[in-house]
Parts: sequence; C-alpha cells; structure tokens
Amino acid sequence: QLQLQESGPGLVKPSETLSLTCSVSGGSVSSSSYYWGWIRQPPGKGLQWIGSINYSGSTYYNPSLKSRVTISVDTSKNQLSLKLSSVTAADTAVYYCVRRSAAGHDYWGQGTLVTVSS
Amino acid sequence: DIVMTQSPDSLAVSLGERATISCKSSQSVLYRSNNKNYLTWYQQKPGQPPKVLIYWASTRKSGVPDRFSGSGSGTDFTLTISSLQAEDVAVYYCQQYYSTPYTFGQGTKLEIK
Repeated sequence: QLQLQESGPGLVKPSETLSLTCSVSGGSVSSSSYYWGWIRQPPGKGLQWIGSINYSGSTYYNPSLKSRVTISVDTSKNQLSLKLSSVTAADTAVYYCVRRSAAGHDYWGQGTLVTVSS
Repeated sequence: DIVMTQSPDSLAVSLGERATISCKSSQSVLYRSNNKNYLTWYQQKPGQPPKVLIYWASTRKSGVPDRFSGSGSGTDFTLTISSLQAEDVAVYYCQQYYSTPYTFGQGTKLEIK
C-alpha cells in the first residue's frame, strides 16, 4: 500500500525558505506511470495545486508561485521535496504531498501545517 | 487558468435523501483523443486529506460506495449522493487535471438537515 509522509519545520519566518520532504513507501518516485507533487490548503480554505514532477525530472509549476517554487526528487531515498522561497503569512497552509495518476490525485499524505510567522 | 465553479457553497440534506452538487469549468476538460473528461471529485472530512470519489467525471474509485455517482461532460458536471448517510458529512471538491495549473472548485459543504 502506497504511503506518503511529509516532514519539515512547522514554523518558518517571513522572507525565509520553506523546505519540506515527502517520504514515499510502497511505491517508487521513479515510476514512469505517475507524477508526484504538492498541494496546499490554507486553514479553513480551499485547495491550491503547487506543482508536479515526473520520473524524468520534468517539472510543472503553478504560475502564481513559479518564481518561488522548486520541486525535486531524490530517487536514492525515494523522496520528494518542496522549496518555497520568500514566504509570507499568505503561505501559511497545510502542505500535502500527492501522487497523480490517470485517476487524478489518488494518493495524499496526511499533510503538514506550516505557519509563517516571526 | 481553467476556473472551476461549484454550486451551492453549502447544502443541507435529510438522511436518506438525495444530494446534488454542480461543478462548471470555464473551458472544456474533455480530451478528444480518448473521450475522457479529466475531472475528479474529492471528499474531505475535518482533519483529513481529500479522498478521491470519482475520476474521469463518472468512474467511481474502487471501494467508494455506489450511492456516489458522477455525471457530465465538457464543462458541466454533477456529483450525486443518492441516499445521504451520516458519514457523508464533508466538504466536496471538484478538480480539473486537463491542463496545468490544475485547479479546484471552491468546495461545497454538505451537512445533515
């Protein structure tokens, strides 16, 4: 059974870089059948797709965040990472690691809350 | 960007009654090459990540109760719960994955009347 687990600091200061890691078990980030990515949800609000990466390392980002986002994979550790630079309070959200298949975003991590505050 | 608009924003339905949620996209999400609509319905309960109920607009994910059904094509879609159960209280989202940036509807909060 595929499992995704996000980890990283729960508190980040304004203007700094948010860094999260997603550990994947029960499947491989190298699989050519899937895309891996991140979706976020501000407290009490809706869902925003951040971006995705495929097995060859091709990345796709939300244009609203593109200048600040980097998504990468470490195949040796079977992990996915997210970096979001120059954060503000508007970046406070639960960040989910996700897998996308032909059936949409079919697997989600439990999510990790990141608060941007000094 | 494709804008996804759900209606209503909230809905209260009696147990055992039908619940219907609408989702409209600002442009078609139908791939002509395979005749599939790249539209997913999710259910999200408090403190949990969203869970796929329906993909390709009308294909129920394995394990999802058959009281959930999806319909529609192109730009107009519907999620129907045929007989509401207490455990169906949740927020429901539609999402298009036809083109990036993938976008979600604003969500519909479903409650028991």
